[in-house]
Amino acid sequence: QSVLTQPPSVSAAPGQKVTISCSGSSSSIGDHYISWYQQLPGTAPKLLIYENHKRPSGIPDRFSGSKSDTSATLDITGLQTGDEANYYCVTWARKVFGGGTKLTVL
Amino acid sequence: EVQLVESGGGLVQPGGSLRLSCAASGFMFGGYWMSWVRQAPGKGPEWVANIRQDGGERDYVDSVKGRFTISRDNAKNSLYLQMNSLRAEDMAMYYCVREDGWSFEHWGQGALVTVSS
Repeated sequence: QSVLTQPPSVSAAPGQKVTISCSGSSSSIGDHYISWYQQLPGTAPKLLIYENHKRPSGIPDRFSGSKSDTSATLDITGLQTGDEANYYCVTWARKVFGGGTKLTVL
Repeated sequence: EVQLVESGGGLVQPGGSLRLSCAASGFMFGGYWMSWVRQAPGKGPEWVANIRQDGGERDYVDSVKGRFTISRDNAKNSLYLQMNSLRAEDMAMYYCVREDGWSFEHWGQGALVTVSS
């Protein structure tokens, strides 16, 4: 059981917005950076968000991140079928991964 | 272009050893912390170990302490993971990862380690 809790699955229609949550505690999230990763089937994870809300070069602004003391969220707007993937949050406190969320674009 | 290419994966019996290598190119290898991250079949990723730029600091997940050793050769732009006393639960895809901005910034394609008799 990870110290970071994510919903196992979320779904939404193309063009809609989805929010993926990552819940923890003030010790696991509060004073530590959160990053988010997208893993398409059969591929390595890919960095989407770092330092809570920053996007690497090449990541569209449809992806955004935020953080509070005990939780973090990844928002994806303008959903596309190509966004279907597993999404993971990571706290830099011991570099722990959340359990992952499977996004289905209906 | 950043490239990380793992090698050395394969089939090993429980209790056996294996050494993974990662060849880095396209960036100043000696300027970055590097990590190994693994992913068991059907599971989420798990950070395994990391090493500081000069090799002077290393850290491990508790489950591999005393069995795995991470090392690097900056002259050869290479990262290594020596895995001893392998167990069934170590079976996974092992990724070589460049750290930056308190994140796992760049990932290799992975090397598969199978532990089975």
